[in-house]
Amino acid sequence: GQQLNQSPQSMFIQEGEDVSMNCTSSSIFNTWLWYKQDPGEGPVLLIALYKAGELTSNGRLTAQFGITRKDSFLNISASIPSDVGIYFCAGQLRRDDKIIFGKGTRLHILP
Amino acid sequence: DAMVIQNPRYQVTQFGKPVTLSCSQTLNHNVMYWYQQKSSQAPKLLFHYYDKDFNNEADTPDNFQSRRPNTSFCFLDIRSPGLGDAAMYLCATSRDPTGTYEQYFGPGTRLTVT
Repeated sequence: GQQLNQSPQSMFIQEGEDVSMNCTSSSIFNTWLWYKQDPGEGPVLLIALYKAGELTSNGRLTAQFGITRKDSFLNISASIPSDVGIYFCAGQLRRDDKIIFGKGTRLHILP
Repeated sequence: DAMVIQNPRYQVTQFGKPVTLSCSQTLNHNVMYWYQQKSSQAPKLLFHYYDKDFNNEADTPDNFQSRRPNTSFCFLDIRSPGLGDAAMYLCATSRDPTGTYEQYFGPGTRLTVT
């Protein structure tokens, strides 16, 4: 089946640093979604993207729908301890398709 | 607040003993999904309901069944849980699968099989 390649798998950063992660595919996607999951909780939708080139912010988070429609990026500026968790990208090939999840990026913040 | 609610949050069952997990939503969304998520993995879609229409994923074992008696509630039945079925089970909803495709997840039920 279709796969999303999400990288990096994990990140160890200092508080206050900026974070970048991305998701790529060999297929063209219609929609990109970014979720954050805290331990023992369900994923929470952070940002949804619907158009190639779209750049959307949610507080310190910014995500972009790649021009080729085969990738998406998530940036977190000035990280804080509550940013710790797993970030999943998810994409939809066509409007009536199920969404496909990446394998997640686990973000750790060093004390 | 409108939300997706899952009960219980933690469920322990014995090998082979049927178990039912429940999900309710106050969002009035048309679509409800059940996902299985194992440790350090992405959620895996088991099936979904679009209104009363049931859509099973091809690789979902027959051991997993679902019921949606009304718009607000959806149940996941595991007929004979095996040790490999221990996982987090996530319910999600979306307004319409053909429009903007934002899924909203509940907090999950962590299932332990002893």
